[in-house]
Amino acid sequence: GAGVSQSPRYKVAKRGQDVALRCDPISGHVSLFWYQQALGQGPEFLTYFQNEAQLDKSGLPSDRFFAERPEGSVSTLKIQRTQQEDSAVYLCASRQYRTGEAFFGQGTRLTVV
Amino acid sequence: DQQVKQNSPSLSVQEGRISILNCDYTNSMFDYFLWYKKYPAEGPTFLISISSIKDKNEDGRFTVFLNKSAKHLSLHIVPSQPGDSAVYFCANGGGSNYKLTFGKGTLLTVNP
Repeated sequence: GAGVSQSPRYKVAKRGQDVALRCDPISGHVSLFWYQQALGQGPEFLTYFQNEAQLDKSGLPSDRFFAERPEGSVSTLKIQRTQQEDSAVYLCASRQYRTGEAFFGQGTRLTVV
Repeated sequence: DQQVKQNSPSLSVQEGRISILNCDYTNSMFDYFLWYKKYPAEGPTFLISISSIKDKNEDGRFTVFLNKSAKHLSLHIVPSQPGDSAVYFCANGGGSNYKLTFGKGTLLTVNP
């Protein structure tokens, strides 16, 4: 595709529900990032993939958060037993190589009620 | 670890004038910076970058200046246009795995 695509755009989850957020990066991009952006804040790093390898997951806030990229392309961020503090915009970004500019998707706005 | 700070949450300028957005950082080892622009309900879009081998990078109306001794960079927009109204994020592209570390952003409003 022409850009990074994320789905769904909006998700409302009841507290305790599991959610899965999908990211389709730009074709051929090696690097993939997930970020969490709370209201009024800058994006906060969650995790990084180089191809299918998850090289850095230091930003995941708890063991309820899990990300995968099994074939080095599409990635899924899963949040188990959602809590209200998980409400945020989740941004996915991809980059052609290890360095350089990253291209962001439009994000998924998650609201936990 | 790297910290990126944008101390001005908002800035308002008149159309045609210069907008100056500022950013400070703490770790000199990671001297590669990017500016992103974000409209509501959209993801950040890349604007311009600068690395430590330069102290200035220019692209049309946008110029970024890097002052390594002060650990400070700034984005200049000349002339400012109403369509430039958005949140601007400064980001550092160094560190482990070259992940991007973002500031909190500055909301720029350009008044017609």
